[in-house]
Amino acid sequence: DAGITQSPRHKVTETGTPVTLRCHQTENHRYMYWYRQDPGHGLRLIHYSYGVKDTDKGEVSDGYSVSRSKTEDFLLTLESATSSQTSVYFCAISVTGTTGELFFGEGSRLTVL
Amino acid sequence: AQRVTQPEKLLSVFKGAPVELKCNYSYSGSPELFWYVQYSRQRLQLLLRHISRESIKGFTADLNKGETSFHLKKPFAQEEDSAMYYCALLSGSSNTGKLIFGQGTTLQVKP
Repeated sequence: DAGITQSPRHKVTETGTPVTLRCHQTENHRYMYWYRQDPGHGLRLIHYSYGVKDTDKGEVSDGYSVSRSKTEDFLLTLESATSSQTSVYFCAISVTGTTGELFFGEGSRLTVL
Repeated sequence: AQRVTQPEKLLSVFKGAPVELKCNYSYSGSPELFWYVQYSRQRLQLLLRHISRESIKGFTADLNKGETSFHLKKPFAQEEDSAMYYCALLSGSSNTGKLIFGQGTTLQVKP
């Protein structure tokens, strides 16, 4: 499983509240990614990181921020959750540099009421 | 623009029938393409990549640059192949390992 875990696995929250999802890896892989999975859209990249304090936006970054203060943790924050952010969020790491071979976490299902 | 299109949301076949999951891409240059699979209650995982030219679990995929396609095929479907399948393209905009995914196709193999 490449030592990647996500928390929480399930969360229900209300519109307007902040939410933070955590991705933790047990190894020192440089590249980490946050995707969201929605029916009809597949997986879309939200943000990614290429090192401590090095992050960049993906395709659907509006309304999200990330932080990576240490190698093993990559946090995704919804600053003020909206119903359109109801989704399943997947973290992934690349164990082979930038080859495209990603290992995924189990996903975090977020419901915004 | 870099894009991946999977035209079928759902593909339903009987056990033992051939399977072809379609994937088309838009990319200028030499693409690197992948198939990822998500079985029920499991993580998304890499199935195969075109560079390795492997056959995994009986599945193969051939890159056709003329048709800009990377269809996934299996001659005889098994019930355990039922899953969500995603085609993905390695983004060439920067050396970051980002993948662009298609919309996904659910494969249902009936007994």
